[in-house]
Amino acid sequence: DQQVKQNSPSLSVQEGRISILNCDYTNSMFDYFLWYKKYPAEGPTFLISISSIKDKNEDGRFTVFLNKSAKHLSLHIVPSQPGDSAVYFCAAYSGNTPLVFGKGTRLSVIA
Amino acid sequence: DAGITQSPRHKVTETGTPVTLRCHQTENHRYMYWYRQDPGHGLRLIHYSYGVKDTDKGEVSDGYSVSRSKTEDFLLTLESATSSQTSVYFCAISALTGTYEQYFGPGTRLTVT
Repeated sequence: DQQVKQNSPSLSVQEGRISILNCDYTNSMFDYFLWYKKYPAEGPTFLISISSIKDKNEDGRFTVFLNKSAKHLSLHIVPSQPGDSAVYFCAAYSGNTPLVFGKGTRLSVIA
Repeated sequence: DAGITQSPRHKVTETGTPVTLRCHQTENHRYMYWYRQDPGHGLRLIHYSYGVKDTDKGEVSDGYSVSRSKTEDFLLTLESATSSQTSVYFCAISALTGTYEQYFGPGTRLTVT
């Protein structure tokens, strides 16, 4: 049973526009959420995170929004750049349990 | 970049043979993890370690074993490789509670023929 769901396997966006990647979760005990970015033939790299006590966290072009009542978080990339083309994984955890990852969304930014 | 290396980076092996993948870290982090990545499945946790000789199972542990005799090394063993274990394997480390901001190695591509 998937606890973290990324329902869009892929997304295409034009350069300069906003990219919005979505993630839904089912476990209400999750209290910390992370986004990872993965290029081909490389390991995932940490991108941005948010605690459940916040509803927004911003880091440069990347912003993560958390809606706890809807059990939904999203990653906004503004403006999108060709170098942002990658697979993005949403992850969540509670207490001391290991991270639970979604299946990933492949973002393609078209020049 | 976190000091994490994986060896080998690529391996082709035959069904039924044992295989050991190695993860080595220079960060002295307490927690280490093994994941596999497959199309349509994302990252799935195989086993993890919360200290020397302390390990636990993850979501897809069947057919795999692990050992951690030193802080810096975490070994993943496929006792008898099967074609379903063809995958890309990633090692990860973290310092704090074991789940914040894990840092991943470059991966090992394993093909079982």
